[in-house]
Formats: sequence, C-alpha cells, structure tokens
Amino acid sequence: QVQLVQSGTEVRKPGASVKVSCKTSGYTFINYVVTWVRQAPGQGLEWMGWISAYNGNTNYAQKFQGRVTMTTDTSTTTAYMELRSLTSDDTAIYYCARVDGYNLDWFDPWGQGTLVTVSS
Amino acid sequence: QSALTQPPSASGSPGQSVSISCTGTSSDLGGYNYVSWYQQHPGKAPKLIIYEVSKRPSGVPDRFSGSKSGNTASLTVSGLQTEDEADYYCCSYAGSNKYVFGSGTKVTVL
Repeated sequence: QVQLVQSGTEVRKPGASVKVSCKTSGYTFINYVVTWVRQAPGQGLEWMGWISAYNGNTNYAQKFQGRVTMTTDTSTTTAYMELRSLTSDDTAIYYCARVDGYNLDWFDPWGQGTLVTVSS
Repeated sequence: QSALTQPPSASGSPGQSVSISCTGTSSDLGGYNYVSWYQQHPGKAPKLIIYEVSKRPSGVPDRFSGSKSGNTASLTVSGLQTEDEADYYCCSYAGSNKYVFGSGTKVTVL
C-alpha cells in the first residue's frame, strides 16, 4: 500500500534551519508530485508548496518563497523540506502528502506529520 | 492568498445530517472544479474524503457528499455517526499550481 513515513520530532532555536524527510513506498515515486502542508498548534492547514519527483520542479506558496527548499532523492524515494531562518511562528506539525489526479488536485495519502518546535 | 472561509463549528445528533460550507473567490474555488475535503481526527493526519468537488475515494462511506455552486462548496455528512466527530477542511486549486485550504470546521456529534 502507498505509505509516506516522516522523520521524527525536531527542536530548533530561532534563526536555525530544519530539514524534514518523507520516505515514500508502495508506488512509482517519479510518477507523482509531493506536497508539504503545515499546521500550527490549534490552527488550520496551510499549503507550503510541492515538488515533482519526476523532474524536481517546485512551486512554493508566496509566503515561503526564499525560505523553503523542497528536494527529492529518487534513489531512496524520499522527499525533503528544508525551512530556514526559523521563528516561533514556524512551530507546527509539518505534513507531506502525495498529490494525485490528472490535474494534480488532491492530496492522498498523508504522512504522519513531523512536529517542529522553535524555541530559545 | 487568503484561506477559504468555513464556519468554525457545526453539530448534529446521531443519524442527522450536517452541512459545512466553504467560500472562496472566483480566482480560486469559483474558478475550478478542483475542490477536495479532508477529515482530521485529533492528533492524526488529515484524510481525503472528497475530491474534484463530489467524488469519493474508495473506502469513504457514501454518507459523505460534496457539491459546489459559484464560489461556495459544501460538504454534507448524512446519518451522522460518533466517529464523524472531527475537524474538516476544504481545499481548492488557486491557479498557477498553487492551493489554498479552508479555515476548518469542527464537527461535534451531540
């Protein structure tokens, strides 16, 4: 079955960077796009961007432009999301999800989430 | 890109129906038939329950249905069950390969 398994909890100080991984299995990695979504404590979902596993093309939400980098490693079928210049506002659970549909319009399935805490 | 607007809460008794609205603009929700809905139980990852406005993935009960009119999409849960108590989020394609989520609705089964 299709699975996305994310890396564990991270704690960072303000100004630092974090890189979250998303190991995929059960499907042909390069045929799909992976998206990243975050959820601050008690808040809603926020779309961050996506990356094509086929050619590495990315598309980031304007809010994160210049501060986020999404990459993939086709040899290990893993997607990565790196966020830099962290502030306390970046404290959130970060999810990866496979993007599906001919028009890339839905997200399924999702990883279990990675909690990133930013605190001095 | 502003979040789509959802009511903060909705509720119903077991067996009843509850509907959740999701309002956007002509630049996002109103401009495309690419609306999806996600169910999220506390402490869990979101789960897809509706895609392309009204289609249900395999395994999702037919108690869940979706529709859209103009700039507003709706999710209806018929025959409410206790396990339907969760947060629900809509999501729409917003052009230029970007997406926007709704603000979320907490559904309570009374």
